[in-house]
Amino acid sequence: EPEVTQTPSHQVTQMGQEVILRCVPISNHLYFYWYRQILGQKVEFLVSFYNNEISEKSEIFDDQFSVERPDGSNFTLKIRSTKLEDSAMYFCASSVGSGMDEQYFGPGTRLTVT
Amino acid sequence: AQKITQTQPGMFVQEKEAVTLDCTYDTSDQSYGLFWYKQPSSGEMIFLIYQGSYDEQNATEGRYSLNFQKARKSANLVISASQLGDSAMYFCAMRCLNSGNTPLVFGKGTRLSVIA
Repeated sequence: EPEVTQTPSHQVTQMGQEVILRCVPISNHLYFYWYRQILGQKVEFLVSFYNNEISEKSEIFDDQFSVERPDGSNFTLKIRSTKLEDSAMYFCASSVGSGMDEQYFGPGTRLTVT
Repeated sequence: AQKITQTQPGMFVQEKEAVTLDCTYDTSDQSYGLFWYKQPSSGEMIFLIYQGSYDEQNATEGRYSLNFQKARKSANLVISASQLGDSAMYFCAMRCLNSGNTPLVFGKGTRLSVIA
């Protein structure tokens, strides 16, 4: 069964450093998302992406964040200058279409900022 | 704005018994979808079941069923014949279906523990 993959599974970085989290969505999916989950808290939406542009973003997704689909398969989330409060699990998700189509989540990348 | 409320931070159930996880929602949208996801201790998010706001029948997927009461704005998940492997966090989520690839809005989750 096809699945969303994410790399790395765990990233440790120092405050102020740039990180890039990578995702490979399911190949025939057209809609892509990033969510984050601070330890012990609920999953929060960051950004959605369709047709090579951002569709919607939350207030969490400020100028320090960016997303890119550099080729036909990868979907990346970049944090330019990490802060301690960026420590969280970051989930990539994809769906075939919008609306009722379920979003398939990747296994997540645990980001630890020290 | 959409909001999901899960009032049970933790639940215990005996193996082989049924359990209901509560979820209420708030939205001004007429067309929306309700989702349940399972998050085991390994951390991944596993889709369980979906209910559309216009679906007249309650959704079922194997041992999972969704008790959808639109007038009460509730979408409770029922797990029948609980198994030890059902121990996990369970998140209720919703999204507007009116336009585009709207994001999922999640509740805070319920931690289910299945006891042998």
